[in-house]
Amino acid sequence: KQEVTQIPAALSVPEGENLVLNCSFTDSAIYNLQWFRQDPGKGLTSLLLIQSSQREQTSGRLNASLDKSSGRSTLYIAASQPGDSATYLCAVMLWAGANNLFFGTGTRLTVIP
Amino acid sequence: NAGVTQTPKFQVLKTGQSMTLQCAQDMNHNSMYWYRQDPGMGLRLIYYSASEGTTDKGEVPNGYNVSRLNKREFSLRLESAAPSQTSVYFCASSDRGGFSNQPQHFGDGTRLSIL
Repeated sequence: KQEVTQIPAALSVPEGENLVLNCSFTDSAIYNLQWFRQDPGKGLTSLLLIQSSQREQTSGRLNASLDKSSGRSTLYIAASQPGDSATYLCAVMLWAGANNLFFGTGTRLTVIP
Repeated sequence: NAGVTQTPKFQVLKTGQSMTLQCAQDMNHNSMYWYRQDPGMGLRLIYYSASEGTTDKGEVPNGYNVSRLNKREFSLRLESAAPSQTSVYFCASSDRGGFSNQPQHFGDGTRLSIL
């Protein structure tokens, strides 16, 4: 069974700092990997989706990378802002046609003004 | 844009009671999903519907039933609620499910407590 791990579980940084969130998965034969943001009491918002054939995706201050062979993905947030405070989740889909996303437990990010 | 709408937002039940969680999406998506989120665990798939008229079990289906009422609506029913079903339930939808590299869109969740 695919296991998805996110470390650390919580992270606090001062505003303006660049930071990296980590995601690791046990089965490298994935179809895609997604990063989500979850605000307290809210649902998940998709941030970036990386297909298995891609190495990275960028959206604004966010950059996600994927290294399938090592079973790792990182989410880089540049020039962090207090509004970035949220829980960040990664999830993997195993194969085209699979309907099950395997989620990590998330990293709770606090950006201190 | 409404996206994915879940009702109710909060619910408290007694053990043995039944209830139905409602979900509707307005994005004309083919696939819909029900997840549960528990502290210290990642979201886990309960049931999904790849297209209108089909439903399939996910990772944790025991104690639940689903109905894909039409393309827009996908409901989750607890026939006899148990305390272990206390959780936050999320509905999601996507275009063509796992056959597309499109993200899933989530509702805001239903927080369910079973006493």
